[in-house]
Amino acid sequence: DSGVTQTPKHLITATGQRVTLRCSPRSGDLSVYWYQQSLDQGLQFLIQYYNGEERAKGNILERFSAQQFPDLHSELNLSSLELGDSALYFCASSVEFQGDSPLHFGNGTRLTVT
Amino acid sequence: QKEVEQDPGPLSVPEGAIVSLNCTYSNSAFQYFMWYRQYSRKGPELLMYTYSSGNKEDGRFTAQVDKSSKYISLFIRDSQPSDSATYLCAIRYNQGGKLIFGQGTELSVKP
Repeated sequence: DSGVTQTPKHLITATGQRVTLRCSPRSGDLSVYWYQQSLDQGLQFLIQYYNGEERAKGNILERFSAQQFPDLHSELNLSSLELGDSALYFCASSVEFQGDSPLHFGNGTRLTVT
Repeated sequence: QKEVEQDPGPLSVPEGAIVSLNCTYSNSAFQYFMWYRQYSRKGPELLMYTYSSGNKEDGRFTAQVDKSSKYISLFIRDSQPSDSATYLCAIRYNQGGKLIFGQGTELSVKP
């Protein structure tokens, strides 16, 4: 068990809808990352937060947004959902935002858009 | 050109074999190197990480980094059926931010 908790495990929704994915980092970790994994794209970095502030941004769509709260948990909001947004969404956490601070991943949220 | 390249396999070996998994990267500014194992429908699990050229050993696993060739490897000795999973290399700049993953190599160890 990595100590990173993601909810819900599965989410099925329709196109055009909005969903929120939640992540609780490991105890003591200040940095949270969001990744998207699909069969053809592998693990793609979306966004990183450190102690409540955005630190790095990847190829995150404008329809997606995230935030990290004072208690360090994070939420990823996906809106105007399209079929192509169906994927596994992983949250990871680390102590620091750089260097050799390794990332520890949760077990993901499987999103299916119908 | 992708920042990190990894042969997706699949790779099938008999139990007890030595497995070699490899990645190449394009930018010498990458300083940190990690290997993750991912079982089906689970999150990636950290196996090893290093920042220096040379070898780092942990049990049956050895991570090797050659910065001059921009080449990283993971060796698994005495492979077991429980090692069957997808193995992902990951690299990072010193300045932090994102961890960039390879495509992953699917490994199957047959009893």
